[in-house]
Amino acid sequence: ETGVTQSPTHLIKTRGQQVTLRCSSQSGHNTVSWYQQALGQGPQFIFQYYREEENGRGNFPPRFSGLQFPNYSSELNVNALELDDSALYLCASSLAIGSGKVNEQFFGPGTRLTVL
Amino acid sequence: AQKVTQAQTEISVVEKEDVTLDCVYETRDTTYYLFWYKQPPSGELVFLIRRNSFDEQNEISGRYSWNFQKSTSSFNFTITASQVVDSAVYFCALILNQGGKLIFGQGTELSVKP
Repeated sequence: ETGVTQSPTHLIKTRGQQVTLRCSSQSGHNTVSWYQQALGQGPQFIFQYYREEENGRGNFPPRFSGLQFPNYSSELNVNALELDDSALYLCASSLAIGSGKVNEQFFGPGTRLTVL
Repeated sequence: AQKVTQAQTEISVVEKEDVTLDCVYETRDTTYYLFWYKQPPSGELVFLIRRNSFDEQNEISGRYSWNFQKSTSSFNFTITASQVVDSAVYFCALILNQGGKLIFGQGTELSVKP
């Protein structure tokens, strides 16, 4: 069974640039959630995708957007990067909604984004 | 509003000591799920346990145990005979409904010294 994978591991961008982060969900999982974890803080929910549609969104501006593909992998896109976007971005996959299983969310190793 | 509070920012113990990590949650919903995750220095969040709001039985898994008390809205985590490998940041989290978002506490950084 393959776990959740994310790419890239690290990324350095400058303010105003755009970035795309990628996530492959665990085998058999149909839901992907993205979280932002600033240094010394708990992860904050960005949004969740289920069957290729957004299924809930946290308190993040529209420049944070996402996609989920038919194979349940996902992308997080951030436009017009700001210094405060520097964080660890975590992707989590789960089997949810109608599956009969409560959704343990299994996390990937994260992408460390630094905005200069 | 829903909230998870981990009042202990940092805890330092010596190996073989027992340690309890506190978690207090707030929600008006009657159906919810509580989680604990471990985050080692590598950054990946490791799932430890899930508990639903209708099951207040305490759980033990090896050196780990969890005490869920709805009366005090607490879901505390105890490590017995701590080991250096237990050093990590531990997060308590809450989900209100199936498929929803995890609401995390601020985390407790546990340092176990040899």
